Amino acid sequence: DQQVKQNSPSLSVQEGRISILNCDYTNSMFDYFLWYKKYPAEGPTFLISISSIKDKNEDGRFTVFLNKSAKHLSLHIVPSQPGDSAVYFCAASSQGGSEKLVFGKGTKLTVNP
Amino acid sequence: GAGVSQSPSNKVTEKGKDVELRCDPISGHTALYWYRQSLGQGLEFLIYFQGNSAPDKSGLPSDRFSAERTGGSVSTLTIQRTQQEDSAVYLCASSLDISGNQPQHFGDGTRLSIL
Repeated sequence: DQQVKQNSPSLSVQEGRISILNCDYTNSMFDYFLWYKKYPAEGPTFLISISSIKDKNEDGRFTVFLNKSAKHLSLHIVPSQPGDSAVYFCAASSQGGSEKLVFGKGTKLTVNP
Repeated sequence: GAGVSQSPSNKVTEKGKDVELRCDPISGHTALYWYRQSLGQGLEFLIYFQGNSAPDKSGLPSDRFSAERTGGSVSTLTIQRTQQEDSAVYLCASSLDISGNQPQHFGDGTRLSIL
């Protein structure tokens, strides 16, 4: 049973536009959410996180939004750059700690010049 | 080094052999995690350590898998009598500790291929 779902396997956007990556979860015990970026043959790189006590967290071009009632989070990248092309993973954990992360299957983002 | 270091980066071995994968976490990080990513799948949790103890081994797929951590630093993941379904990328991550919403930082993984 997939507790973290990324329903779009791929997304293509034009350079300079906004990229919106979506993630849904089913476990109401999750209280910490993260986004990772992964290039081929490299490990995932931490991008941004959000605690369940917040509904928005911003870091430069990256903003994560959390809608707890809908069990939905999204990552906005604006403006998108070709170097942002990678696979993006959504992850979640529970009990307020950095214990095991439950990952989605990823969304491959392609930013076209 | 500044990041999580894993070795070897690639390992090819015959079915039935034992393999040992190594992870060197970020200095000062007390929590260490092992995940694996099979082809076309997301990352799957295997085990985590807080210091040298492993409170949660629930993700280990079978008793052929074991892990240890000594000195609160380097960890090894051992797979005995490897099977073809063990082929995957094995990723290690570390974080400052397990509390306070600390993000996990990953190494580049060991790509394991069982022939």
